[in-house]
Amino acid sequence: EAQVTQNPRYLITVTGKKLTVTCSQNMNHEYMSWYRQDPGLGLRQIYYSMNVEVTDKGDVPEGYKVSRKEKRNFPLILESPSPNQTSLYFCASGSEGGGLQYFGPGTRLTVT
Amino acid sequence: QKEVEQDPGPLSVPEGAIVSLNCTYSNSAFQYFMWYRQYSRKGPELLMYTYSSGNKEDGRFTAQVDKSSKYISLFIRDSQPSDSATYLCAMRSSGSARQLTFGSGTQLTVLP
Repeated sequence: EAQVTQNPRYLITVTGKKLTVTCSQNMNHEYMSWYRQDPGLGLRQIYYSMNVEVTDKGDVPEGYKVSRKEKRNFPLILESPSPNQTSLYFCASGSEGGGLQYFGPGTRLTVT
Repeated sequence: QKEVEQDPGPLSVPEGAIVSLNCTYSNSAFQYFMWYRQYSRKGPELLMYTYSSGNKEDGRFTAQVDKSSKYISLFIRDSQPSDSATYLCAMRSSGSARQLTFGSGTQLTVLP
């Protein structure tokens, strides 16, 4: 089954404790991206990767890092999480240069 | 002013009704238009994808784009309780794969 998977699905952590959210896709897509979704603000892009060699910032990259060492995986790293990073996070992969994007099930992160 | 405006609802309709969901946008460079459906606690699911102006039909769903008015619509015919979800419009300009700009979503409930 073609899909984007994320782990963990739910995470509660404390301020400053480094964490990684994994993302993997099995559709052989070049394009991958991370979004956060907050009430009233919709989906906002954090980082994207056009391919293994190209990664760039989205609209809200502060406090986040990403890594694209292989095509199928695109982990999101929070080096020192803060409460304002409490959100619902989605990974997406895309065909047609990212024009068609397929989303993972989401990771609900709470930082206390 | 946001680039993409979408009425958040909530919108409640009886089963069998025709539903009209809309987005307006300000960026005349947008060429690609998408509708996503998001069930509670799930990731957005691509529903419709259209390029430039015109209509596209897929089963009970019809997407319309009016670029002259910077207005897009999604019509759902014979609505079902299973259509209850949040509907997100998204759009991007040609050649700008990363800039998928989302509306904030409209919450729809179809009452049996």
